[in-house]
Amino acid sequence: DTGVSQDPRHKITKRGQNVTFRCDPISEHNRLYWYRQTLGQGPEFLTYFQNEAQLEKSRLLSDRFSAERPKGSFSTLEIQRTEQGDSAMYLCASSQGTSGTRRIVYEQYFGPGTRLTVT
Amino acid sequence: ELKVEQNPLFLSMQEGKNYTIYCNYSTTSDRLYWYRQDPGKSLESLFVLLSNGAVKQEGRLMASLDTKARLSTLHITAAVHDLSATYFCAVVISNFGNEKLTFGTGTRLTIIP
Repeated sequence: DTGVSQDPRHKITKRGQNVTFRCDPISEHNRLYWYRQTLGQGPEFLTYFQNEAQLEKSRLLSDRFSAERPKGSFSTLEIQRTEQGDSAMYLCASSQGTSGTRRIVYEQYFGPGTRLTVT
Repeated sequence: ELKVEQNPLFLSMQEGKNYTIYCNYSTTSDRLYWYRQDPGKSLESLFVLLSNGAVKQEGRLMASLDTKARLSTLHITAAVHDLSATYFCAVVISNFGNEKLTFGTGTRLTIIP
């Protein structure tokens, strides 16, 4: 399977603990995104990488959150001192430009997500 | 700030009927996507709409885009149970190469046999 993969798929942690999630994008996709989805809502943008550079972070990404993409391949998202409000599905997506009708389209392909429950 | 609204939020319909989901957005956009999400699963891309008047069809689903009205529609024809899912529209505004998606709140569709 050459799609986007995420690990773990499920994580239960106690409030105050640190957690780290991993995302492996589609091979050779240079763009990688993290989104967060809470129950009953649409996904919300967290952060974006182009290769190894983190180019944008949402205001949702508090200082307890950090993301890396050290070699421009896989990415990690760490949450320190977790809070119950961090409980959500964390989705990773990757993209690479493909030719559209008149311009390049960077369609994002999503991974299966990591469901975090903070107790 | 870009806002994306969908309606209805919940839709329960009988098999064989037709219905339309609406997606409105607040600012000029570069493109619009429709995604499907099954419970507990990730997002599956259905359509990407690139320009005003774009129409795409796949099976019983047809999506269209009116950029002047800032409106996209997802039309369901002769619904079948397999189409039960949550449908999201998502709008892209490119910003220095960042093509982040801004999602609507979703429409939870239930098809009743």
